[in-house]
Amino acid sequence: GAGVSQTPSNKVTEKGKYVELRCDPISGHTALYWYRQSLGQGPEFLIYFQGTGAADDSGLPNDRFFAVRPEGSVSTLKIQRTERGDSAVYLCASSLNPISTSGSTDTQYFGPGTRLTVL
Amino acid sequence: GQNIDQPTEMTATEGAIVQINCTYQTSGFNGLFWYQQHAGEAPTFLSYNVLDGLEEKGRFSSFLSRSKGYSYLLLKELQMKDSASYLCAVSWTGGGNKLTFGTGTQLKVEL
Repeated sequence: GAGVSQTPSNKVTEKGKYVELRCDPISGHTALYWYRQSLGQGPEFLIYFQGTGAADDSGLPNDRFFAVRPEGSVSTLKIQRTERGDSAVYLCASSLNPISTSGSTDTQYFGPGTRLTVL
Repeated sequence: GQNIDQPTEMTATEGAIVQINCTYQTSGFNGLFWYQQHAGEAPTFLSYNVLDGLEEKGRFSSFLSRSKGYSYLLLKELQMKDSASYLCAVSWTGGGNKLTFGTGTQLKVEL
C-alpha cells in the first residue's frame, strides 16, 4: 500500500514569506507527527496529532509555526514570516495508534520529507 | 535532559559485522527504536525494543539493557547498500508517542 507522502519535495522561499507543507499519512493511521531535521542531526519533534486534535505541540519552536489536521487525515504545517534558520527537512510520520493496549510505543512510518530553503 | 548518544561515524568492511551503540538517560524510558536513513531519503524502521534482550531480524539485531541505558544495533554480513545513517530514538513514559532521536551514526561500508 501507499506510504506517507509529502508535498512539495522541495520548497525555496524568501525570508519573511509564508509557506505551507502538506502531509498525507498512511490510510487508517490515526496518529500523525511532524519532525524537523537539520543537516547532520537526527529528527527533532515538533507536534503530533491524534485524530483532528493536536495531542502535543511542545516541540513547535515559536508562534510562527502552526499545524492543522481538520479531517483527521491530511495535515498541513504552516510557517509564517520564515527565517533563514527555518531551513531544514520537514519530516512527517504516521502510526496506527499512538499507544498500543500493552502500553508500548507504536511504530512511526516516515515520509520522504520536504526540504525547505529560506533565502 | 534526555540526551541520546551514539557515535558520529563508523567504517566497516563489506561482509563484516558492525555494532552501533546508543546510550540514553534511563529516567522515564519507555522504548527504543532504530531507524536507517539513506542520504536524502526518509528514515525507515528497523527495530523496536522495550524489554531487555536481543531481537533478531535477518541480518540486523538490536539489543537493549534498560538498567544500563544502553542499546546496540548489530549488522551482519555487511553490504555496500548498508552505507547509511543509523538513528537511535527513544520514547518516554508520559511523553505520548513522540520520539527523541540521537544525531545518527553515519556508517560507511568499504570493499
